[in-house]
Amino acid sequence: GAVVSQHPSRVICKSGTSVKIECRSLDFQATTMFWYRQFPKKSLMLMATSNEGSKATYEQGVEKDKFLINHASLTLSTLTVTSAHPEDSSFYICSARGEGANNEQYFGPGTRLTVT
Amino acid sequence: GQNIDQPTEMTATEGAIVQINCTYQTSGFNGLFWYQQHAGEAPTFLSYNVLDGLEEKGRFSSFLSRSKGYSYLLLKELQMKDSASYLCAVNTGGFKTIFGAGTRLFVKA
Repeated sequence: GAVVSQHPSRVICKSGTSVKIECRSLDFQATTMFWYRQFPKKSLMLMATSNEGSKATYEQGVEKDKFLINHASLTLSTLTVTSAHPEDSSFYICSARGEGANNEQYFGPGTRLTVT
Repeated sequence: GQNIDQPTEMTATEGAIVQINCTYQTSGFNGLFWYQQHAGEAPTFLSYNVLDGLEEKGRFSSFLSRSKGYSYLLLKELQMKDSASYLCAVNTGGFKTIFGAGTRLFVKA
Protein backbone atom coordinates (compact mmCIF):
# COMPACT_ATOMS: atom_id res chain seq x y z
CA GLY A 1 0.00 0.00 0.00
CA ALA A 2 0.88 3.66 -0.19
CA VAL A 3 3.38 4.92 2.36
CA VAL A 4 3.61 8.36 3.86
CA SER A 5 6.49 9.36 6.10
CA GLN A 6 6.86 12.24 8.51
CA HIS A 7 9.93 13.76 10.02
CA PRO A 8 10.69 14.28 12.80
CA SER A 9 8.59 11.87 14.83
CA ARG A 10 9.17 13.85 18.01
CA VAL A 11 10.48 17.33 18.61
CA ILE A 12 10.90 19.48 21.67
CA CYS A 13 11.52 23.16 21.16
CA LYS A 14 11.64 26.32 23.21
CA SER A 15 8.93 28.92 23.15
CA GLY A 16 9.45 31.46 20.39
CA THR A 17 11.35 29.19 18.03
CA SER A 18 10.11 27.71 14.76
CA VAL A 19 9.76 24.05 13.90
CA LYS A 20 9.49 22.46 10.47
CA ILE A 21 7.72 19.14 9.93
CA GLU A 22 8.12 17.25 6.67
CA CYS A 23 5.56 14.97 5.07
CA ARG A 24 6.58 12.74 2.18
CA SER A 25 4.68 10.32 -0.02
CA LEU A 26 7.20 7.56 -0.65
CA ASP A 27 5.78 5.49 -3.45
CA PHE A 28 3.18 7.66 -5.08
CA GLN A 29 2.65 11.23 -6.17
CA ALA A 30 0.35 13.30 -4.04
CA THR A 31 -1.04 16.47 -5.54
CA THR A 32 -3.00 17.01 -2.36
CA MET A 33 -1.84 16.57 1.20
CA PHE A 34 -3.62 17.38 4.44
CA TRP A 35 -2.37 18.58 7.80
CA TYR A 36 -4.20 17.67 10.99
CA ARG A 37 -3.58 18.24 14.64
CA GLN A 38 -4.86 16.01 17.37
CA PHE A 39 -5.13 16.71 21.08
CA PRO A 40 -5.11 13.83 23.56
CA LYS A 41 -8.23 11.69 23.32
CA LYS A 42 -9.66 13.98 20.68
CA SER A 43 -10.22 13.47 17.00
CA LEU A 44 -8.22 14.83 14.13
CA MET A 45 -8.81 18.45 13.34
CA LEU A 46 -8.11 19.45 9.78
CA MET A 47 -5.82 22.47 9.71
CA ALA A 48 -5.21 22.94 6.02
CA THR A 49 -5.20 21.34 2.62
CA SER A 50 -1.88 21.52 0.85
CA ASN A 51 -1.90 21.67 -2.92
CA GLU A 52 1.23 21.13 -4.98
CA GLY A 53 2.33 24.29 -6.69
CA SER A 54 -0.27 26.55 -5.14
CA LYS A 55 -1.21 28.12 -1.85
CA ALA A 56 -2.61 26.00 0.92
CA THR A 57 -6.25 26.26 1.90
CA TYR A 58 -6.62 26.87 5.61
CA GLU A 59 -9.58 25.91 7.77
CA GLN A 60 -11.43 28.56 9.67
CA GLY A 61 -9.61 29.59 12.81
CA VAL A 62 -6.19 28.35 11.69
CA GLU A 63 -3.63 31.15 11.40
CA LYS A 64 -1.89 30.85 8.06
CA ASP A 65 0.97 33.11 9.16
CA LYS A 66 1.64 30.89 12.14
CA PHE A 67 1.34 27.56 10.38
CA LEU A 68 3.22 27.93 7.12
CA ILE A 69 2.62 25.22 4.57
CA ASN A 70 4.72 24.63 1.49
CA HIS A 71 3.96 21.90 -1.04
CA ALA A 72 6.94 22.26 -3.31
CA SER A 73 6.79 18.91 -5.07
CA LEU A 74 4.45 16.03 -5.71
CA THR A 75 6.01 14.05 -2.87
CA LEU A 76 6.78 16.66 -0.20
CA SER A 77 4.76 19.05 1.92
CA THR A 78 6.13 20.92 4.91
CA LEU A 79 4.43 22.51 7.88
CA THR A 80 6.36 25.17 9.79
CA VAL A 81 5.07 26.21 13.19
CA THR A 82 6.43 29.72 13.63
CA SER A 83 7.08 31.35 16.99
CA ALA A 84 5.84 28.29 18.78
CA HIS A 85 4.10 28.54 22.13
CA PRO A 86 3.24 25.85 24.67
CA GLU A 87 -0.37 25.78 23.43
CA ASP A 88 0.96 24.62 20.06
CA SER A 89 2.09 21.39 21.68
CA SER A 90 0.15 18.66 19.95
CA PHE A 91 0.29 15.64 17.69
CA TYR A 92 0.53 16.76 14.07
CA ILE A 93 -0.43 14.28 11.39
CA CYS A 94 -0.20 14.63 7.64
CA SER A 95 -2.01 12.60 5.07
CA ALA A 96 -1.87 12.29 1.33
CA ARG A 97 -4.73 11.62 -0.97
CA GLY A 98 -4.37 8.32 -2.77
CA GLU A 99 -4.53 7.80 -6.48
CA GLY A 100 -7.54 5.49 -6.29
CA ALA A 101 -11.13 6.43 -6.90
CA ASN A 102 -12.25 6.15 -3.29
CA ASN A 103 -10.47 9.29 -2.08
CA GLU A 104 -8.70 7.28 0.59
CA GLN A 105 -6.15 9.15 2.61
CA TYR A 106 -2.87 7.62 3.69
CA PHE A 107 -1.60 8.96 6.98
CA GLY A 108 1.91 9.65 8.09
CA PRO A 109 3.04 8.35 11.49
CA GLY A 110 2.61 11.75 13.10
CA THR A 111 4.90 14.24 14.83
CA ARG A 112 4.69 14.88 18.55
CA LEU A 113 5.56 18.53 19.17
CA THR A 114 6.28 19.74 22.68
CA VAL A 115 6.94 23.43 23.22
CA THR A 116 8.54 24.28 26.54
CA GLY B 1 -22.95 22.58 10.12
CA GLN B 2 -20.95 19.40 10.01
CA ASN B 3 -21.52 16.79 12.68
CA ILE B 4 -20.32 13.23 13.16
CA ASP B 5 -21.40 11.36 16.28
CA GLN B 6 -20.09 8.13 17.68
CA PRO B 7 -19.96 6.71 21.21
CA THR B 8 -17.02 7.80 23.30
CA GLU B 9 -16.09 4.42 24.72
CA MET B 10 -17.09 0.77 24.45
CA THR B 11 -15.94 -2.36 26.22
CA ALA B 12 -16.19 -5.89 24.87
CA THR B 13 -14.83 -9.34 25.63
CA GLU B 14 -12.20 -11.19 23.67
CA GLY B 15 -13.81 -13.46 21.07
CA ALA B 16 -17.07 -11.51 21.05
CA ILE B 17 -18.65 -9.25 18.43
CA VAL B 18 -18.95 -5.48 18.81
CA GLN B 19 -20.77 -2.90 16.73
CA ILE B 20 -19.65 0.73 16.71
CA ASN B 21 -22.25 3.15 15.41
CA CYS B 22 -21.76 6.44 13.64
CA THR B 23 -24.31 9.04 12.60
CA TYR B 24 -23.48 12.01 10.46
CA GLN B 25 -24.96 15.26 9.23
CA THR B 26 -22.77 16.90 6.64
CA SER B 27 -23.17 19.44 3.87
CA GLY B 28 -22.03 16.89 1.31
CA PHE B 29 -21.34 13.18 1.11
CA ASN B 30 -18.82 11.41 -1.03
CA GLY B 31 -18.12 8.32 1.03
CA LEU B 32 -17.61 7.20 4.61
CA PHE B 33 -14.41 5.79 6.07
CA TRP B 34 -13.54 3.86 9.18
CA TYR B 35 -10.02 4.14 10.57
CA GLN B 36 -8.31 2.41 13.46
CA GLN B 37 -5.93 4.41 15.62
CA HIS B 38 -3.74 3.04 18.40
CA ALA B 39 -2.58 5.49 21.04
CA GLY B 40 0.24 7.71 19.82
CA GLU B 41 0.03 6.40 16.29
CA ALA B 42 -1.52 7.60 13.06
CA PRO B 43 -4.86 6.24 11.84
CA THR B 44 -4.89 3.23 9.55
CA PHE B 45 -7.55 2.60 6.94
CA LEU B 46 -10.15 -0.06 7.65
CA SER B 47 -13.04 0.42 5.26
CA TYR B 48 -14.80 2.65 2.78
CA ASN B 49 -18.51 2.79 1.95
CA VAL B 50 -20.02 5.00 -0.71
CA LEU B 51 -23.15 2.97 -1.53
CA ASP B 52 -25.76 1.62 0.88
CA GLY B 53 -25.14 -1.82 2.25
CA LEU B 54 -22.60 -3.98 3.96
CA GLU B 55 -18.94 -4.27 3.03
CA GLU B 56 -17.15 -7.25 4.55
CA LYS B 57 -13.41 -7.57 4.92
CA GLY B 58 -12.24 -10.42 7.09
CA ARG B 59 -13.19 -9.86 10.72
CA PHE B 60 -14.31 -6.31 9.98
CA SER B 61 -17.52 -5.24 8.25
CA SER B 62 -18.94 -1.79 7.64
CA PHE B 63 -22.50 -0.81 6.86
CA LEU B 64 -23.90 2.38 5.39
CA SER B 65 -27.37 3.87 5.06
CA ARG B 66 -27.16 7.23 3.29
CA SER B 67 -30.84 8.03 3.78
CA LYS B 68 -30.44 7.67 7.53
CA GLY B 69 -27.00 9.23 7.74
CA TYR B 70 -25.85 6.13 9.58
CA SER B 71 -22.99 3.69 9.52
CA TYR B 72 -21.62 1.00 11.75
CA LEU B 73 -18.39 -0.92 12.03
CA LEU B 74 -18.72 -4.55 13.08
CA LEU B 75 -15.76 -6.34 14.59
CA LYS B 76 -15.98 -10.11 14.97
CA GLU B 77 -13.85 -12.54 16.96
CA LEU B 78 -12.39 -9.73 18.97
CA GLN B 79 -8.74 -9.88 19.85
CA MET B 80 -6.84 -7.96 22.49
CA LYS B 81 -4.96 -6.10 19.75
CA ASP B 82 -8.27 -4.63 18.58
CA SER B 83 -8.21 -2.33 21.59
CA ALA B 84 -7.88 1.06 19.91
CA SER B 85 -9.84 4.11 18.85
CA TYR B 86 -12.08 3.75 15.84
CA LEU B 87 -12.68 6.88 13.81
CA CYS B 88 -15.67 7.44 11.57
CA ALA B 89 -14.91 9.94 8.80
CA VAL B 90 -16.98 11.44 6.01
CA ASN B 91 -15.66 12.77 2.74
CA THR B 92 -17.85 15.81 2.21
CA GLY B 93 -16.83 16.39 -1.38
CA GLY B 94 -13.74 17.56 -3.13
CA PHE B 95 -10.85 16.30 -1.07
CA LYS B 96 -12.15 17.23 2.34
CA THR B 97 -12.71 14.60 5.02
CA ILE B 98 -14.21 15.30 8.42
CA PHE B 99 -13.52 13.00 11.36
CA GLY B 100 -15.67 12.04 14.30
CA ALA B 101 -14.19 12.17 17.78
CA GLY B 102 -13.56 8.43 17.75
CA THR B 103 -14.74 5.51 19.84
CA ARG B 104 -12.25 4.01 22.27
CA LEU B 105 -12.72 0.26 22.33
CA PHE B 106 -11.41 -1.75 25.26
CA VAL B 107 -11.18 -5.50 24.74
CA LYS B 108 -10.95 -7.48 27.95
CA ALA B 109 -9.95 -11.08 28.47
